[in-house]
Amino acid sequence: DTGVSQNPRHKITKRGQNVTFRCDPISEHNRLYWYRQTLGQGPEFLTYFQNEAQLEKSRLLSDRFSAERPKGSFSTLEIQRTEQGDSAMYLCASSFQGLTTDGYTFGSGTRLTVV
Amino acid sequence: ILNVEQSPQSLHVQEGDSTNFTCSFPSSNFYALHWYRWETAKSPEALFVMTLNGDEKKKGRISATLNTKEGYSYLYIKGSQPEDSATYLCAFINTDKLIFGTGTRLQVFP
Repeated sequence: DTGVSQNPRHKITKRGQNVTFRCDPISEHNRLYWYRQTLGQGPEFLTYFQNEAQLEKSRLLSDRFSAERPKGSFSTLEIQRTEQGDSAMYLCASSFQGLTTDGYTFGSGTRLTVV
Repeated sequence: ILNVEQSPQSLHVQEGDSTNFTCSFPSSNFYALHWYRWETAKSPEALFVMTLNGDEKKKGRISATLNTKEGYSYLYIKGSQPEDSATYLCAFINTDKLIFGTGTRLQVFP
C-alpha cells in the first residue's frame, strides 16, 4: 500500500464549472475524511465516512458539495458551480478507527484554483 | 464553537536553537490530541497521538507534553535543523473527527 492517494494534484477551473476530486485511502482503513485548507488556516473538517456510510457533514459544506464512498473504498468529492471562494487545498485522510492511536494518514491534497 | 489555538503563528530560529510551541484546546470531553508536521508540497505527517493527562512523548529531537485538565499541549524541538522547517498542527478529537488549530509555521535558518 502506498499511502493515501489524491487526484488530481492541481486543478484550475473557471467559475461555474463542476469539479470532482478522488481519494484512494489505505485499503485497511474504514474511516475516510475530507478537509479543506485555505491560506493561513488549519484544515477545516468537511465530511467523513465509515465504510460507505457518510456519518457527518460540516455546516461549511453547502449543497454545491457532495461526497461519496460507494463501495467503502475510494471516495469522490464533487463541487458544482464552483465559486472563487472554493479555491483551497482539499485534503483527504484515512484511519483504521476514529479514536486511532496512530493518527490519520493524509494524502498530498488537491489544490483547486477557481478563476 | 470549539476552538483550537496555536501560538506562535510563525517562528524563525537559527540552526541549533531549541524551540517550543503551544496548543490550547477545550478541556471538557477530552479524547485525544494529535500533533502533525506538514512540510511544503508533502502530506501532513502524524507525530504524536496523546490521550492521557501528563503524557509525554518523544520522537528523536521532538517531544510533546499534554495537560488535559487545563487544556494545553507543548511541542518541543531540541537543536532545530533546517529539515525541521514545516508547519506544525495540533488537533483534538471532537465527536469522532479532528478539529485543527491554525498551525505554527517554523523556519530554521542554517
